[in-house]
Amino acid sequence: EVQLVQSGAEVKKPGEYLKISCKASGYSFPTYWIAWVRQMPGKGLEWMGTIYPGDSDTKYSPSFQGQVTISADKSISTTFLQWSSLKASDTAMYYCAREGGRPLDIWGQGTTVTVSS
Amino acid sequence: QSALTQPASVSGSPGQSITISCTGTSSDVGAYNYVSWYQQHPDKAPKLMIYDVINRPSGVSNRFSGSKSGNTASLTISGLQAEDEADYYCGSYTSGITLFGGGTKLTVL
Repeated sequence: EVQLVQSGAEVKKPGEYLKISCKASGYSFPTYWIAWVRQMPGKGLEWMGTIYPGDSDTKYSPSFQGQVTISADKSISTTFLQWSSLKASDTAMYYCAREGGRPLDIWGQGTTVTVSS
Repeated sequence: QSALTQPASVSGSPGQSITISCTGTSSDVGAYNYVSWYQQHPDKAPKLMIYDVINRPSGVSNRFSGSKSGNTASLTISGLQAEDEADYYCGSYTSGITLFGGGTKLTVL
């Protein structure tokens, strides 16, 4: 079964570092782009960026460039999304999704990130 | 790039058909046949319903169909069922990134 399993919910303080993960299984991990999507409470989907695990080529939405870092580790079929200094406005649900060609065809279950002092 | 434009809400009665529009520009929706549609039930991850404008993934009901004219794509759901009540998002590829619409809440009356 093709699936993406994300790491668990996080509660952090402003200014802290965070790295969340998305582990792929059931398909050839290096050969599909993996995107990250933000959904703030009660709001819509926002595409943040994507990575090709085969060579770690990465593209970011202009809105998120410089705000987050996307990385991948082929040896463990896992993609990561990290923040060096969290803000309260980073509070959201974060999804990873496989970009099967162009559409996002397989989604992770989501990781809730709460940033509060 | 700005988000694609969708109506905030649509509604219909069981058995009826509804259409959700998704308006972009000649740089995104109008430029590529890479429009997709996603269904999201409350507290659930989105699910791909339509890709490349008109194609349905395996397992998606044929009551869901997609189309495009110029810079506007559409999702039509025929024979509405209670389980179709959800949020729907369009997405379009453009210049290496994906743009989403703001989402449409479908209410089945």
